[in-house]
Amino acid sequence: EAQVTQNPRYLITVTGKKLTVTCSQNMNHEYMSWYRQDPGLGLRQIYYSMNVEVTDKGDVPEGYKVSRKEKRNFPLILESPSPNQTSLYFCASSLRAPSYEQYFGPGTRLTVT
Amino acid sequence: GIQVEQSPPDLILQEGANSTLRCNFSDSVNNLQWFHQNPCGQLINLFYIPSGTKQNGRLSATTVATERYSLLYISSSQTTDSGVYFCAGSGSNDYKLSFGAGTTVTVRA
Repeated sequence: EAQVTQNPRYLITVTGKKLTVTCSQNMNHEYMSWYRQDPGLGLRQIYYSMNVEVTDKGDVPEGYKVSRKEKRNFPLILESPSPNQTSLYFCASSLRAPSYEQYFGPGTRLTVT
Repeated sequence: GIQVEQSPPDLILQEGANSTLRCNFSDSVNNLQWFHQNPCGQLINLFYIPSGTKQNGRLSATTVATERYSLLYISSSQTTDSGVYFCAGSGSNDYKLSFGAGTTVTVRA
């Protein structure tokens, strides 16, 4: 089954404790991206990746890091989480660039206290 | 990235009613897409529609790229159509995808 998976689905952590949210797709997609969703703001892109070892900033990259060492995986790293990073996070992938249908993961709800 | 404005922000429909959602862009837009987020939070791609008109069942979408807007039509709405509808697009030579704030649709039986 073609899918995008994210782990964990729910996470409660404390300020400053490094965490990683994993994202994996099994569709051999080149383009992957991370979004955060906050009430009234829609989805805002954090980082995207055009292919292996090619990543770039989205609209809200501050406080986040990503890596793309393999085509299927695109982890999101919060080196020192803060309460303003409490949000719902989505990973997405598409065949190439954003010009193809985006497939979304199920979301990760992160709470930073 | 480009700015995306969606209207209306909220829409309450009686089952069977028709409706139109609108998406305006601040600049020339590429890769225009519509998404539905169901009440469980799952995001599903409805249309990839950089220009022209597409139809899928009771849903259809029209994009007029030269005038920087897109419309999503819901006909004969059903309770399963409830959720949040987002449009998104990217600017020229831009690989970032910018989303609108969404339209929350509630269909009542």
